[in-house]
Amino acid sequence: NAGVTQTPKFRILKIGQSMTLQCTQDMNHNYMYWYRQDPGMGLKLIYYSVGAGITDKGEVPNGYNVSRSTTEDFPLRLELAAPSQTSVYFCAIPRGDAIPGELFFGEGSRLTVL
Amino acid sequence: GNSVTQMEGPVTLSEEAFLTINCTYTATGYPSLFWYVQYPGEGLQLLLKATKADDKGSNKGFEATYRKETTSFHLEKGSVQVSDSAVYFCALSIQGAQKLVFGQGTRLTINP
Repeated sequence: NAGVTQTPKFRILKIGQSMTLQCTQDMNHNYMYWYRQDPGMGLKLIYYSVGAGITDKGEVPNGYNVSRSTTEDFPLRLELAAPSQTSVYFCAIPRGDAIPGELFFGEGSRLTVL
Repeated sequence: GNSVTQMEGPVTLSEEAFLTINCTYTATGYPSLFWYVQYPGEGLQLLLKATKADDKGSNKGFEATYRKETTSFHLEKGSVQVSDSAVYFCALSIQGAQKLVFGQGTRLTINP
């Protein structure tokens, strides 16, 4: 998925540990999104950003923090990992000049909290 | 509020069978509707879209028609292939909003 790069692809954390999921885009989009995907539950929006320095909460922001210091980067931070945060995390950006809702997703970061 | 409901999976079909995956929605305003597909080990990809009532989205042999009267956007394909095995997500965005609301996903397996 050229355009959106997520790291790491896999990570195992212990309860209470912290980590940052990285998302970088090279499409110069103002909008960036973080979703989590739980089995059988679809995707839920965690946080999104409409430009550098501007972020807002989605449906499930608790336990996460974000920052947007540059257009390219939108890291997602877990401060005190909990088993409920075991999930696959996707970063996304809009597809060019497409209509709202047409998103381009990264390959995902699979996080397990034990 | 805004929500999307998909038929529960998993769905298992034989190659060349006809496919329907049901999707209904509840929305304030006038949503755009989407189907996304997720192949094993990959992120989501846009499959097709429709922006207003009676629009038909189509791609790779898949079709879905935006039915405002039944608030539905069912995905269909006339003859599925093994390569269509994936998880399919129905989603909506409200006019002017850059956020998507997803259904829970339907896992499709096609057997040769």
